[in-house]
Amino acid sequence: DAKTTQPPSMDCAEGRAANLPCNHSTISGNEYVYWYRQIHSQGPQYIIHGLKNNETNEMASLIITEDRKSSTLILPHATLRDTAVYYCIVRESYNNNDMRFGAGTRLTVKP
Amino acid sequence: EAEVAQSPRYKITEKSQAVAFWCDPISGHATLYWYRQILGQGPELLVQFQDESVVDDSQLPKDRFSAERLKGVDSTLKIQPAELGDSAMYLCASSLLRGNSPLHFGNGTRLTVT
Repeated sequence: DAKTTQPPSMDCAEGRAANLPCNHSTISGNEYVYWYRQIHSQGPQYIIHGLKNNETNEMASLIITEDRKSSTLILPHATLRDTAVYYCIVRESYNNNDMRFGAGTRLTVKP
Repeated sequence: EAEVAQSPRYKITEKSQAVAFWCDPISGHATLYWYRQILGQGPELLVQFQDESVVDDSQLPKDRFSAERLKGVDSTLKIQPAELGDSAMYLCASSLLRGNSPLHFGNGTRLTVT
């Protein structure tokens, strides 16, 4: 019973920004938003997480709406190696709970 | 960058046989998780440890699955006897004890039961 909703698939042109949306309308005040990706035959790779402020690291940017009911993961210049399944997860901040994965979004970056 | 180590990478076994998977978490990570991922689905938690203690094993099929983390470092997941439906990727992850610390995953063991 994942708490997030993501589109099942998206395409993106190589070199363009990939914007992956996630709805989490029932998120509570103490829950963070996490993003992972999984390339075929590998384990999930941590990308970024945030509570309410926008976050940026060397891999991506995370934009969280003011009401925190949705977020967008931005890969600024997608490459073919970014083709993967991307998972958006909400998780309580004060407990080392497990990550509950949904089906994710399959992003295909095309040349 | 430190990684979670898992072995073997692939395992083929016949049904009714025993099989074991090993995980070495990132040094200093007190929390360790075992997940199972069926092809085409997201990973699902089997068991969670904090140090050597089980925190959550509510989704572990205890009639055939067991997990241990005796010294609070590396961990073993065992299936006995294996069934055809156990064919899946078995993933190990670890994290620091801080509440919002992300999980870091290994590359898993791909189990095929014939």
